Amino acid sequence: QLQLQESGPGLVKPSETLSLTCTVSGDSISSSSYYWGWIRQPPGKGLEWIGSFSYSGSTYYNPSLESRVTISVDTSKNQFSLKVNSVTASDTAVYYCARHLFGLYGSGSYHWFDPWGQGTLVTVS
Amino acid sequence: SYELTQPPSVSVSPGQTASITCSGNKLGDKYAFWYQQKPGQSPVLVIYQDTKRPSGIPERFSGSNSGNTATLTISGTQAMDEADYYCQAWDISTVVFGGGTKLTVL
Repeated sequence: QLQLQESGPGLVKPSETLSLTCTVSGDSISSSSYYWGWIRQPPGKGLEWIGSFSYSGSTYYNPSLESRVTISVDTSKNQFSLKVNSVTASDTAVYYCARHLFGLYGSGSYHWFDPWGQGTLVTVS
Repeated sequence: SYELTQPPSVSVSPGQTASITCSGNKLGDKYAFWYQQKPGQSPVLVIYQDTKRPSGIPERFSGSNSGNTATLTISGTQAMDEADYYCQAWDISTVVFGGGTKLTVL
């Protein structure tokens, strides 16, 4: 059964870099059938997609965050990581990692997330 | 940028049918996905590709998508269905989430 687990510091100072890791078990992160993604949720608010990548090299980022975000992969540990630079209080959120699935139809594609990790709260203060 | 709009809250009596809408420009031309999130828990996929239910999701959950609106329907709503529900779609290389709807079972 596929499981994802986020880890990293729960407290980050303003202007510094937020770094999180997602450890995947039950499937290989090198699979070309999936992407792997990050989503965040500020306290009491809705979901915001951060970005996703595939082992084949494709990467998608939320345009509103792209300038500050980097997603990388460590296949030897079956992990992928998130870095957000120059954080402010507005980056305080629960950060989730998830498997990002996709399909093709006609000239388009569709994408969704399943399953999700349990999430980790990062506070910028 | 593409936007998905959901009502902030929906209320339903136990045993009745709850409908949660998600509106977006020509959303019916895309696929819609729905997630359930209970307090303190991670989101769980309840509907994918407009109408399909993942394994383990009760049959009372169903979905539709046409025109500018996708709808999540919960028939015979139970107290355990009280949660936040989010719709999601893909538009021009971007994942888009709706703002979420809090379903209250009164």
